[in-house]
Amino acid sequence: GNSVTQMEGPVTLSEEAFLTINCTYTATGYPSLFWYVQYPGEGLQLLLKATKADDKGSNKGFEATYRKETTSFHLEKGSVQVSDSAVYFCALRGAAGNKLTFGGGTRVLVKP
Amino acid sequence: GAGVSQTPSNKVTEKGKYVELRCDPISGHTALYWYRQSLGQGPEFLIYFQGTGAADDSGLPNDRFFAVRPEGSVSTLKIQRTERGDSAVYLCASSPGTSGQETQYFGPGTRLLVL
Repeated sequence: GNSVTQMEGPVTLSEEAFLTINCTYTATGYPSLFWYVQYPGEGLQLLLKATKADDKGSNKGFEATYRKETTSFHLEKGSVQVSDSAVYFCALRGAAGNKLTFGGGTRVLVKP
Repeated sequence: GAGVSQTPSNKVTEKGKYVELRCDPISGHTALYWYRQSLGQGPEFLIYFQGTGAADDSGLPNDRFFAVRPEGSVSTLKIQRTERGDSAVYLCASSPGTSGQETQYFGPGTRLLVL
């Protein structure tokens, strides 16, 4: 079956540091890939997505590239802010399916 | 416009009791999903509705769990004979269209605690 593995947290950074959260997946066919974010006290929000190989999703300064050869979808941001402190979830949706399969989440704490 | 809403936001019950969790999807969204998120883990799929029918219920853990969506809008997740292991945040999501490929929008969740 489908699965998603992402690096465990917490990740603690200083403001303006570079952030990378690794995500790899196992799936048959060509899944769609997502990053969701959960800010403190809020619900899950879609951050970005990519639906085919080599696509790059981007939003709010975050980027992730769909790499089929390495089955990865790593999340990056060049300069984080305190407001980026949240839990980040990598997820996939199978090519013929509808349900999302999530990784375990990575908590990010950005200190001023 | 209004997002996905879930009630109650918190529910405390005793082992063996019956609970109902409600989800109001975004108006006009035909697809509705239920997920369960245990502490420190990612959400896990439970069931997917397209309109009034359950198109995929493969994630329901056992027959104590049941969900309905009688009019194709509001959905209720029902848990019978609750167990302590059912304690989790129950998330609802909705999406427009019928392909199942559209973006899912999540509600704030219901935090269930079984004592």
